[in-house]
Amino acid sequence: DAKTTQPPSMDCAEGRAANLPCNHSTISGNEYVYWYRQIHSQGPQYIIHGLKNNETNEMASLIITEDRKSSTLILPHATLRDTAVYYCIVRDMNSGYSTLTFGKGTMLLVSP
Amino acid sequence: NAGVMQNPRHLVRRRGQEARLRCSPMKGHSHVYWYRQLPEEGLKFMVYLQKENIIDESGMPKERFSAEFPKEGPSILRIQQVVRGDSAAYFCASSPLGTGEADTQYFGPGTRLTVL
Repeated sequence: DAKTTQPPSMDCAEGRAANLPCNHSTISGNEYVYWYRQIHSQGPQYIIHGLKNNETNEMASLIITEDRKSSTLILPHATLRDTAVYYCIVRDMNSGYSTLTFGKGTMLLVSP
Repeated sequence: NAGVMQNPRHLVRRRGQEARLRCSPMKGHSHVYWYRQLPEEGLKFMVYLQKENIIDESGMPKERFSAEFPKEGPSILRIQQVVRGDSAAYFCASSPLGTGEADTQYFGPGTRLTVL
Protein backbone atom coordinates (compact mmCIF):
# COMPACT_ATOMS: atom_id res chain seq x y z
CA ASP A 1 0.00 0.00 0.00
CA ALA A 2 1.21 3.52 -0.79
CA LYS A 3 2.63 5.76 1.90
CA THR A 4 0.81 8.89 3.09
CA THR A 5 2.03 12.20 4.51
CA GLN A 6 -0.07 14.35 6.84
CA PRO A 7 0.71 17.45 8.90
CA PRO A 8 1.24 16.49 12.55
CA SER A 9 -1.29 18.96 13.91
CA MET A 10 -3.93 21.50 12.93
CA ASP A 11 -6.21 23.91 14.75
CA CYS A 12 -9.76 24.82 13.88
CA ALA A 13 -12.32 27.13 15.45
CA GLU A 14 -15.61 25.60 16.44
CA GLY A 15 -18.22 26.01 13.72
CA ARG A 16 -15.69 26.53 10.97
CA ALA A 17 -14.73 24.01 8.31
CA ALA A 18 -11.74 21.82 9.05
CA ASN A 19 -9.73 20.88 5.97
CA LEU A 20 -7.24 18.07 6.59
CA PRO A 21 -4.75 17.41 3.79
CA CYS A 22 -3.06 14.16 2.88
CA ASN A 23 -0.36 13.48 0.30
CA HIS A 24 -0.17 10.06 -1.34
CA SER A 25 2.00 10.73 -4.39
CA THR A 26 2.82 7.04 -5.00
CA ILE A 27 -0.80 5.87 -5.02
CA SER A 28 -1.61 3.32 -7.70
CA GLY A 29 -4.76 2.84 -9.74
CA ASN A 30 -6.28 0.15 -7.51
CA GLU A 31 -5.73 1.95 -4.24
CA TYR A 32 -8.48 3.65 -2.28
CA VAL A 33 -8.07 6.53 0.15
CA TYR A 34 -9.58 5.82 3.57
CA TRP A 35 -9.97 8.17 6.51
CA TYR A 36 -10.33 7.14 10.13
CA ARG A 37 -10.16 9.16 13.31
CA GLN A 38 -9.34 8.27 16.87
CA ILE A 39 -10.79 10.31 19.68
CA HIS A 40 -8.67 10.08 22.80
CA SER A 41 -8.77 6.61 24.41
CA GLN A 42 -11.38 5.31 21.95
CA GLY A 43 -11.19 2.87 19.06
CA PRO A 44 -10.60 4.24 15.56
CA GLN A 45 -13.75 5.39 13.83
CA TYR A 46 -14.29 4.99 10.10
CA ILE A 47 -15.13 8.29 8.39
CA ILE A 48 -15.14 7.96 4.62
CA HIS A 49 -13.30 6.47 1.65
CA GLY A 50 -12.96 7.09 -2.08
CA LEU A 51 -11.16 6.05 -5.23
CA LYS A 52 -11.18 9.03 -7.60
CA ASN A 53 -14.51 10.80 -7.30
CA ASN A 54 -15.30 13.18 -4.49
CA GLU A 55 -17.39 11.57 -1.77
CA THR A 56 -19.71 12.94 0.90
CA ASN A 57 -21.51 11.33 3.79
CA GLU A 58 -23.10 12.50 7.01
CA MET A 59 -19.73 12.96 8.68
CA ALA A 60 -17.48 14.53 6.09
CA SER A 61 -16.52 15.16 2.48
CA LEU A 62 -13.50 13.72 0.70
CA ILE A 63 -11.94 15.65 -2.15
CA ILE A 64 -9.41 13.74 -4.25
CA THR A 65 -7.28 15.61 -6.79
CA GLU A 66 -7.54 14.61 -10.43
CA ASP A 67 -4.07 13.04 -10.42
CA ARG A 68 -4.99 11.28 -7.12
CA LYS A 69 -1.70 12.28 -5.53
CA SER A 70 -3.41 14.10 -2.69
CA SER A 71 -6.74 14.43 -0.97
CA THR A 72 -8.51 16.61 1.60
CA LEU A 73 -10.94 15.56 4.28
CA ILE A 74 -13.45 18.30 5.05
CA LEU A 75 -15.47 18.52 8.24
CA PRO A 76 -17.89 21.25 7.23
CA HIS A 77 -18.81 22.57 10.69
CA ALA A 78 -16.28 21.35 13.23
CA THR A 79 -17.42 20.83 16.82
CA LEU A 80 -15.41 20.30 19.99
CA ARG A 81 -16.18 16.59 19.70
CA ASP A 82 -14.28 16.45 16.42
CA THR A 83 -11.00 16.92 18.30
CA ALA A 84 -9.13 13.72 17.44
CA VAL A 85 -6.23 12.23 15.51
CA TYR A 86 -7.19 11.82 11.86
CA TYR A 87 -5.56 9.09 9.79
CA CYS A 88 -5.36 8.99 6.01
CA ILE A 89 -4.71 5.45 4.77
CA VAL A 90 -4.25 4.13 1.26
CA ARG A 91 -5.43 0.58 0.61
CA ASP A 92 -5.44 -1.72 -2.37
CA MET A 93 -8.89 -3.26 -2.05
CA ASN A 94 -8.94 -5.36 -5.19
CA SER A 95 -5.91 -7.59 -4.76
CA GLY A 96 -7.05 -9.79 -1.92
CA TYR A 97 -7.30 -8.66 1.66
CA SER A 98 -5.73 -5.48 2.94
CA THR A 99 -4.98 -4.60 6.54
CA LEU A 100 -4.76 -1.01 7.77
CA THR A 101 -1.38 0.69 8.09
CA PHE A 102 -1.71 3.63 10.43
CA GLY A 103 0.80 6.47 10.29
CA LYS A 104 1.07 9.26 12.83
CA GLY A 105 -1.98 11.11 11.50
CA THR A 106 -3.00 14.72 12.11
CA MET A 107 -3.99 15.84 15.58
CA LEU A 108 -6.94 18.20 15.00
CA LEU A 109 -7.74 20.49 17.89
CA VAL A 110 -11.11 22.23 17.68
CA SER A 111 -11.38 25.13 20.09
CA PRO A 112 -14.26 27.39 21.12
CA ASN B 1 -27.25 -2.44 15.52
CA ALA B 2 -24.48 -3.45 17.89
CA GLY B 3 -20.98 -2.59 16.88
CA VAL B 4 -17.80 -4.50 17.60
CA MET B 5 -17.71 -5.56 21.24
CA GLN B 6 -14.56 -6.07 23.24
CA ASN B 7 -14.14 -7.25 26.78
CA PRO B 8 -12.86 -6.62 29.22
CA ARG B 9 -12.37 -2.90 28.64
CA HIS B 10 -9.60 -2.79 31.22
CA LEU B 11 -7.42 -5.68 32.33
CA VAL B 12 -4.71 -5.68 34.95
CA ARG B 13 -2.27 -8.56 35.16
CA ARG B 14 0.93 -9.24 37.07
CA ARG B 15 4.05 -10.25 35.22
CA GLY B 16 3.94 -13.92 34.28
CA GLN B 17 0.15 -14.21 34.24
CA GLU B 18 -2.00 -14.84 31.18
CA ALA B 19 -4.21 -12.26 29.51
CA ARG B 20 -7.26 -13.17 27.42
CA LEU B 21 -8.90 -10.49 25.32
CA ARG B 22 -12.22 -11.11 23.63
CA CYS B 23 -13.74 -9.62 20.52
CA SER B 24 -17.24 -10.13 19.16
CA PRO B 25 -17.49 -8.83 15.59
CA MET B 26 -20.39 -6.90 14.18
CA LYS B 27 -23.37 -8.98 13.13
CA GLY B 28 -22.77 -10.46 9.70
CA HIS B 29 -19.00 -9.95 9.83
CA SER B 30 -16.78 -13.00 9.60
CA HIS B 31 -13.40 -11.28 9.37
CA VAL B 32 -11.57 -10.11 12.48
CA TYR B 33 -8.39 -8.08 12.83
CA TRP B 34 -6.37 -7.31 15.96
CA TYR B 35 -4.27 -4.17 16.32
CA ARG B 36 -2.08 -2.98 19.19
CA GLN B 37 -1.36 0.57 20.25
CA LEU B 38 1.60 0.97 22.57
CA PRO B 39 1.71 4.10 24.73
CA GLU B 40 2.42 7.21 22.63
CA GLU B 41 2.66 5.12 19.45
CA GLY B 42 0.46 4.41 16.45
CA LEU B 43 -1.72 1.41 15.86
CA LYS B 44 0.04 -1.66 14.50
CA PHE B 45 -1.59 -4.62 12.81
CA MET B 46 -1.14 -7.92 14.61
CA VAL B 47 -3.30 -10.66 13.09
CA TYR B 48 -6.17 -11.25 10.67
CA LEU B 49 -8.55 -14.16 11.15
CA GLN B 50 -11.59 -15.64 9.52
CA LYS B 51 -13.75 -18.20 11.23
CA GLU B 52 -11.48 -21.07 12.29
CA ASN B 53 -8.57 -19.78 10.18
CA ILE B 54 -5.61 -17.50 10.72
CA ILE B 55 -5.07 -15.64 7.45
CA ASP B 56 -2.19 -13.32 8.33
CA GLU B 57 -0.25 -13.24 11.58
CA SER B 58 2.70 -11.27 10.28
CA GLY B 59 2.33 -8.64 13.00
CA MET B 60 2.17 -11.02 15.93
CA PRO B 61 5.17 -11.35 18.23
CA LYS B 62 6.69 -14.79 17.66
CA GLU B 63 6.34 -15.95 21.25
CA ARG B 64 3.64 -15.81 23.93
CA PHE B 65 0.95 -14.38 21.64
CA SER B 66 -1.78 -16.40 19.95
CA ALA B 67 -5.17 -15.71 18.44
CA GLU B 68 -8.19 -17.73 17.48
CA PHE B 69 -11.62 -17.18 16.01
CA PRO B 70 -13.65 -20.33 16.59
CA LYS B 71 -16.75 -21.37 14.70
CA GLU B 72 -18.86 -20.31 17.65
CA GLY B 73 -18.08 -17.49 20.02
CA PRO B 74 -15.79 -14.49 20.05
CA SER B 75 -12.28 -14.12 18.75
CA ILE B 76 -9.67 -14.44 21.50
CA LEU B 77 -6.25 -12.82 21.68
CA ARG B 78 -4.19 -14.64 24.25
CA ILE B 79 -0.97 -13.40 25.79
CA GLN B 80 0.90 -15.87 27.95
CA GLN B 81 3.42 -14.89 30.64
CA VAL B 82 2.79 -11.19 30.22
CA VAL B 83 5.63 -8.69 30.62
CA ARG B 84 5.48 -4.95 31.27
CA GLY B 85 6.11 -4.25 27.60
CA ASP B 86 2.77 -5.87 26.75
CA SER B 87 0.96 -2.97 28.42
CA ALA B 88 -1.00 -1.36 25.60
CA ALA B 89 -4.44 -0.83 24.12
CA TYR B 90 -5.56 -3.76 22.00
CA PHE B 91 -8.18 -3.03 19.37
CA CYS B 92 -10.25 -5.46 17.41
CA ALA B 93 -11.86 -4.64 14.08
CA SER B 94 -14.27 -6.60 11.94
CA SER B 95 -15.33 -6.51 8.32
CA PRO B 96 -17.90 -8.33 6.24
CA LEU B 97 -15.96 -9.54 3.23
CA GLY B 98 -12.20 -9.42 3.68
CA THR B 99 -11.68 -7.86 0.28
CA GLY B 100 -13.24 -5.43 -2.17
CA GLU B 101 -14.22 -1.78 -1.89
CA ALA B 102 -17.14 -2.49 0.41
CA ASP B 103 -14.92 -4.16 2.97
CA THR B 104 -14.55 -1.44 5.59
CA GLN B 105 -13.10 -2.35 8.96
CA TYR B 106 -15.03 -1.20 12.02
CA PHE B 107 -13.29 -1.02 15.35
CA GLY B 108 -14.27 -1.89 18.87
CA PRO B 109 -13.59 0.27 21.94
CA GLY B 110 -10.42 -1.61 22.82
CA THR B 111 -9.03 -3.42 25.84
CA ARG B 112 -6.46 -1.59 27.90
CA LEU B 113 -3.99 -4.05 29.34
CA THR B 114 -1.82 -2.99 32.23
CA VAL B 115 0.94 -5.31 33.41
CA LEU B 116 2.20 -4.65 36.91
